[in-house]
Amino acid sequence: LAKTTQPISMDSYEGQEVNITCSHNNIATNDYITWYQQFPSQGPRFIIQGYKTKVTNEVASLFIPADRKSSTLSLPRVSLSDTAVYYCLVGDEKDSSYKLIFGSGTRLLVRP
Amino acid sequence: ETGVTQTPRHLVMGMTNKKSLKCEQHLGHNAMYWYKQSAKKPLELMFVYSLEERVENNSVPSRFSPECPNSSHLFLHLHTLQPEDSALYLCASSQGTGVGAEAFFGQGTRLTVV
Repeated sequence: LAKTTQPISMDSYEGQEVNITCSHNNIATNDYITWYQQFPSQGPRFIIQGYKTKVTNEVASLFIPADRKSSTLSLPRVSLSDTAVYYCLVGDEKDSSYKLIFGSGTRLLVRP
Repeated sequence: ETGVTQTPRHLVMGMTNKKSLKCEQHLGHNAMYWYKQSAKKPLELMFVYSLEERVENNSVPSRFSPECPNSSHLFLHLHTLQPEDSALYLCASSQGTGVGAEAFFGQGTRLTVV
């Protein structure tokens, strides 16, 4: 079971780009990397998923280096509404022992 | 609206009560999950059902009893709970299990045990 390590919290200002890095040194060959966002008193919401290199969607970008031992979620031009907890998950969809295990996440605070 | 609906949204119950949480998904998924989120703690996976069969019970006390009558519905039956069981209970569904599948979460039920 690949373990992830993220910063506990980060601060930013509106309009800035925010990069949240997740370490997963024990990532396995078949593992995907997935990021979720959670607002207070709501369920987490899927943001982005990747396997290697770079993935971009309308919300964020995910950068994964060649060794895949870390990944960086990039949020362009954050707004106050991006204040949330961001979770990095790693696991193999075929691994029967891995069922969407969330870590502590990174609490992002966006200031005016 | 995520396609996963949980009821009730809020529940207050005494330690001797019996209550049930309900989750319904309209996404055609074949896996459903129960999570517990206590204040300032990570989400704790409680149960996983895949194809209506329980495939994971994450050392949850027997006072929590899940039920999955079909692929669209998931229940969590509660009895003789403790105040420390007060938390946000979240239901999720996905097509397949594991992190390769995107999970869709409900809004949760805020449970208070008095």
